[in-house]
Amino acid sequence: DAGVIQSPRHEVTEMGQEVTLRCKPISGHDYLFWYRQTMMRGLELLIYFNNNVPIDDSGMPEDRFSAKMPNASFSTLKIQPSEPRDSAVYFCASSRAGGHANSPLHFGNGTRLTVT
Amino acid sequence: GQQVMQIPQYQHVQEGEDFTTYCNSSTTLSNIQWYKQRPGGHPVFLIQLVKSGEVKKQKRLTFQFGEAKKNSSLHITATQTTDVGTYFCAGPDGNKLVFGAGTILRVKS
Repeated sequence: DAGVIQSPRHEVTEMGQEVTLRCKPISGHDYLFWYRQTMMRGLELLIYFNNNVPIDDSGMPEDRFSAKMPNASFSTLKIQPSEPRDSAVYFCASSRAGGHANSPLHFGNGTRLTVT
Repeated sequence: GQQVMQIPQYQHVQEGEDFTTYCNSSTTLSNIQWYKQRPGGHPVFLIQLVKSGEVKKQKRLTFQFGEAKKNSSLHITATQTTDVGTYFCAGPDGNKLVFGAGTILRVKS
């Protein structure tokens, strides 16, 4: 089990550029979550998928953010255009059964995004 | 929606001292989970509590779930430098997991 794999680990880009973050969940996990972590706001849930279908995107801050899950083994989070306030660590996590008992979240190593 | 409050925000202890972080929910929880995030790392699952009044231990860590299933605590006995990091509690809101703000633990050796 390779765990949740995220890429890139670090991304530095200029304001206005498009940013794409990638995630490969653990095989067999039906839920995939995108979180953003900042000092000011902590761990915020942006969106989550169940069986590749977006279920709740109420945490997505603006229309500049979009997420897709074309298949069970891949998801992307895209920011277009990026702004300095998007700078944060973005985590992808997967689990077998959402937030229910006996179904902990497994987090990837995160992508540290810096927008200058 | 579900809210999970966690205190203290930050604690700096001398190595060997005890440490406790508290978690309170605005609603009754079906379960509560605890995670640890080392500096520069990602949150890692520690344990889950399901039953009212449940107490679980992992070596020097003791986890409790309140009788009303609305609060929880994590207690570390005789902290070590390896305990440094941020400790999060998290409660379910439907299929989502809502995280507390976390307690940052620093240990002076």
